[in-house]
Amino acid sequence: GAGVSQSPRYKVTKRGQDVALRCDPISGHVSLYWYRQALGQGPEFLTYFNYEAQQDKSGLPNDRFSAERPEGSISTLTIQRTEQRDSAMYRCASSPYSGGNTEAFFGQGTRLTVV
Amino acid sequence: AQKVTQAQTEISVVEKEDVTLDCVYETRDTTYYLFWYKQPPSGELVFLIRRNSFDEQNEISGRYSWNFQKSTSSFNFTITASQVVDSAVYFCALSEAKRYSTLTFGKGTMLLVSP
Repeated sequence: GAGVSQSPRYKVTKRGQDVALRCDPISGHVSLYWYRQALGQGPEFLTYFNYEAQQDKSGLPNDRFSAERPEGSISTLTIQRTEQRDSAMYRCASSPYSGGNTEAFFGQGTRLTVV
Repeated sequence: AQKVTQAQTEISVVEKEDVTLDCVYETRDTTYYLFWYKQPPSGELVFLIRRNSFDEQNEISGRYSWNFQKSTSSFNFTITASQVVDSAVYFCALSEAKRYSTLTFGKGTMLLVSP
């Protein structure tokens, strides 16, 4: 596709359930980022992939959060045993270069609500 | 640690007024990159500009201009002759060369332009 695609756009889940959020980056983009954005706040970094390698996961809040990008393209962010505090907009971004510091193209995000 | 402060939470102007959005950053790195992103009501994040720490030249793009001043650690954004379509949340962000995978965002400034 032309841009970064995220699915689902909206997800409502019950507390304690696992959720998987998908990101399809722009074709050929080597860098992929996950961010979380609470209401009224700026996005906060979660994790970064260079091709299939997860090079930085320092922003993942705890071990319930994990991410993968097995073939260096599509990525999945998984949250296990969801809690209400996990409710937020989850944004994926990609960029064409390794090494960061370049323009990142963001998807429209997945709005997660944990009830 | 890197930090971005956008002290203006919300600004309201009338169409055709000029408006400046402030951004102050903190970093210990000598090489870093500054960004502005726009988040319109539709929710996506749209890249506007990227500057590196060695280039203090001001930039103009149509009605948009950016004033980068290392002496005051500021990277302010001015919209000239604002239009209703400029209504959005604007985020300033910082990326350090040493930690290139991470964009640190400010909390954003909501700009409301009324007719």
